Amino acid sequence: DTGVSQDPRHKITKRGQNVTFRCDPISEHNRLYWYRQTLGQGPEFLTYFQNEAQLEKSRLLSDRFSAERPKGSFSTLEIQRTEQGDSAMYLCASSFRGGGREQFFGPGTRLTVL
Amino acid sequence: DQQVKQNSPSLSVQEGRISILNCDYTNSMFDYFLWYKKYPAEGPTFLISISSIKDKNEDGRFTVFLNKSAKHLSLHIVPSQPGDSAVYFCAASDGQNFVFGPGTRLSVLP
Repeated sequence: DTGVSQDPRHKITKRGQNVTFRCDPISEHNRLYWYRQTLGQGPEFLTYFQNEAQLEKSRLLSDRFSAERPKGSFSTLEIQRTEQGDSAMYLCASSFRGGGREQFFGPGTRLTVL
Repeated sequence: DQQVKQNSPSLSVQEGRISILNCDYTNSMFDYFLWYKKYPAEGPTFLISISSIKDKNEDGRFTVFLNKSAKHLSLHIVPSQPGDSAVYFCAASDGQNFVFGPGTRLSVLP
């Protein structure tokens, strides 16, 4: 299967701990997006990469959040000093610049901060 | 400030009938609109899209209508099937960013 994959699928952590999530996009896709989704809401844009360059960051992305996409392949999203308000589903999506704008989503990582 | 609104949190439709899901937006810079379907424990799946230069796009049982002057779009599903039961998200793009609505939960009753 060559869809978008995310790891881990679930993460439970204690407040104050750091967590890191990984996303592997569809191999030929050069754009990669991170979203956060809370209950009853649609996905909220966090950041996006074109190849290895981080081109856009949302105001939602506080200093505790950092994302990387070394070599333009997989991406990581790190949250430092987690807070209970960080509990959410973190979704990754990829698309191909030059194709349509439709994004292909991974299954998400559900984060629970205790 | 919600730039993309889906005012119906839920909708129930009888199998075989038409489902109409609505979406309103406020930002006139949006020029591309998409519908996604989401099942529990899965990521959203792309369904259909429409560019602002069109007013209708059709793909099988799914048709999206765009009314630019009203800043309104709708997704029609005909005929509705029980497998269509899911949460449907409307999304709008200005070329760089994507803004999603809060979703409408569709239940297709057998």
